[in-house]
Amino acid sequence: EIVLTQSPATLSLSPGERATLSCRASQSVSSNLAWYQQKPGLAPRLLIYGASNRATGIPARFSGSGSGTDFSLTISSLEPEDFAVYHCQQRSSWPVTFGQGTRLEIK
Amino acid sequence: EVQLVESGGGLVQPGGSLRLSCGTSGFTFSNYWMTWVRQAPGKGLEWVADIKQDGSEKYYVDSVKGRFIISRDNVKNSLYLQMNSLRPEDTAVFYCARVACSDGSAGPCRDDYWGQGTLVTVSS
Repeated sequence: EIVLTQSPATLSLSPGERATLSCRASQSVSSNLAWYQQKPGLAPRLLIYGASNRATGIPARFSGSGSGTDFSLTISSLEPEDFAVYHCQQRSSWPVTFGQGTRLEIK
Repeated sequence: EVQLVESGGGLVQPGGSLRLSCGTSGFTFSNYWMTWVRQAPGKGLEWVADIKQDGSEKYYVDSVKGRFIISRDNVKNSLYLQMNSLRPEDTAVFYCARVACSDGSAGPCRDDYWGQGTLVTVSS
């Protein structure tokens, strides 16, 4: 099983600041990594797939990078609606796994 | 517009059974892998099971193998999860999602559309 480790667990920033979230895989997933945003009481929303491709309708301030075992999600300038929990997921091999999540909170 | 709507959740006693359904519309259901993902209260996301377009391949997380069965009906455009021998640790919101892959199945896959979720509570 591929374990995904997200860091930090919680990130406290202010609107307008830059956020960088990390996801590390226990073995290579090539570029088969996706990022999701989740707000309380709602289903996850796909942000990034294939490590660096923005999903339909996702603003350009969201970007993903990395390959192999180290990945990052960057939000260039935080908007109030960006404060949420972010999950990474690998679909390189079964079982599909998710990271434990990073909570992005308002400082 | 792509839509997925789960139903069938509720309160069930330990050892009991429940069948979740996921009705879909707005896309050609038979062209996509489908998946179930769950989230225990206050916890992260956990993948539960995948099923291939024609139902010929199914994959499960170890903790549900032998207890849960994923299935689909491509005529009714619906996905199902039969859950047997339920345990308190199965308590979660269960989401169905569509799995999209670039370049057929060769490119990166992702869960691009999700339902709103249905809550399953296992308790006496």
